[in-house]
Amino acid sequence: EPEVTQTPSHQVTQMGQEVILRCVPISNHLYFYWYRQILGQKVEFLVSFYNNEISEKSEIFDDQFSVERPDGSNFTLKIRSTKLEDSAMYFCASSGGDVRDPYEQYFGPGTRLTVT
Amino acid sequence: AQSVSQHNHHVILSEAASLELGCNYSYGGTVNLFWYVQYPGQHLQLLLKYFSGDPLVKGIKGFEAEFIKSKFSFNLRKPSVQWSDTAEYFCAVNGVEYGNKLVFGAGTILRVKS
Repeated sequence: EPEVTQTPSHQVTQMGQEVILRCVPISNHLYFYWYRQILGQKVEFLVSFYNNEISEKSEIFDDQFSVERPDGSNFTLKIRSTKLEDSAMYFCASSGGDVRDPYEQYFGPGTRLTVT
Repeated sequence: AQSVSQHNHHVILSEAASLELGCNYSYGGTVNLFWYVQYPGQHLQLLLKYFSGDPLVKGIKGFEAEFIKSKFSFNLRKPSVQWSDTAEYFCAVNGVEYGNKLVFGAGTILRVKS
């Protein structure tokens, strides 16, 4: 069964450094998402991406964040200058490959980002 | 703004007990409703979903949920839990009018004692 993959599984970085989190969505999906879950808190929406542009973003997704689909298969989340409060599990999701079921989002295993 | 409330943060049950996890949403439009499960160390997996039609939906592993529109609820049920159901359960909502993003509840951690 096709699945969403994410790399790395765990990333440790120092405050102020740039990080890029990578995702490979399911190949025939059209919508891509990033969510995050700070330890002990709920899963929060960050951004959605469709047709090579951001379709929606939350207030969390400020100028420090950016997304890109550089090569038609990868979907990346970049944090330009990480802060301690960016430490969280980041989940990628994709949806929209089946016109009968466009709203189900398939999640990747997550990347645990630790900012020190 | 849309929001999702899950009534219990921690639930402890013995094996074979019945389970009901509450979920209420605040949403002004046509909704799609989901329950996701996160087993320890694993990623979010879809248990079941409601888009339209029969408000009683059946999912994997013997779980079911009932959409009650008048109560804005989508409670998850299982008649007899197993130790392997120990996990965190998330209710989530989205809707076309709101751009398809999922809005999650805070999650309920279920521990099943063997």
